Amino acid sequence: EADIYQTPRYLVIGTGKKITLECSQTMGHDKMYWYQQDPGMELHLIHYSYGVNSTEKGDLSSESTVSRIRTEHFPLTLESARPSHTSQYLCASSPPLAVQETQYFGPGTRLLVL
Amino acid sequence: DAKTTQPPSMDCAEGRAANLPCNHSTISGNEYVYWYRQIHSQGPQYIIHGLKNNETNEMASLIITEDRKSSTLILPHATLRDTAVYYCIVRDRNTGTASKLTFGTGTRLQVTL
Repeated sequence: EADIYQTPRYLVIGTGKKITLECSQTMGHDKMYWYQQDPGMELHLIHYSYGVNSTEKGDLSSESTVSRIRTEHFPLTLESARPSHTSQYLCASSPPLAVQETQYFGPGTRLLVL
Repeated sequence: DAKTTQPPSMDCAEGRAANLPCNHSTISGNEYVYWYRQIHSQGPQYIIHGLKNNETNEMASLIITEDRKSSTLILPHATLRDTAVYYCIVRDRNTGTASKLTFGTGTRLQVTL
């Protein structure tokens, strides 16, 4: 069982609101990731981090931003939510050894923007 | 990451072996084959990975052909709880800090009574 947590699990919010999706892991993993997935569709990487103070854009362009001030914490922020941001957001982490690349996923946050 | 090809869906009777194929004809010598699964929109779960030898763990077995152009994930005794989307991914072992996985559309496995 992976020790990676996401809150909230479900969020319904109005257009224009600022939101932060939380992701925390207690495994001491350096690498962390955010994926976006629409229902029945593929996962798309939107952000990743190699470690503290490191953040990179993923393969899918996203209006969200991330920060990595602590190893265990990788929050994702939307400054002004829109209905197009409605999706599921999945956080993952992986240990530092590049060869044994196993990503551990959190349960996800389902976001609905009205 | 090299491209993989998987059938969009498969059915399997409960208690029987589920054999999920994956083609990765452009795989290079440095690339591992990974399998993940995603149960009903939960976070994906790692299953197994291999380079060129067959691998087995408590969840599944991975059979990789000698030319490494295809592989098969085997769930020896499928249960209803194995119903999920199964993703086959190839990834370079020498990517340094770049550890991205590219999830395709996967195979939707339906286990039936």
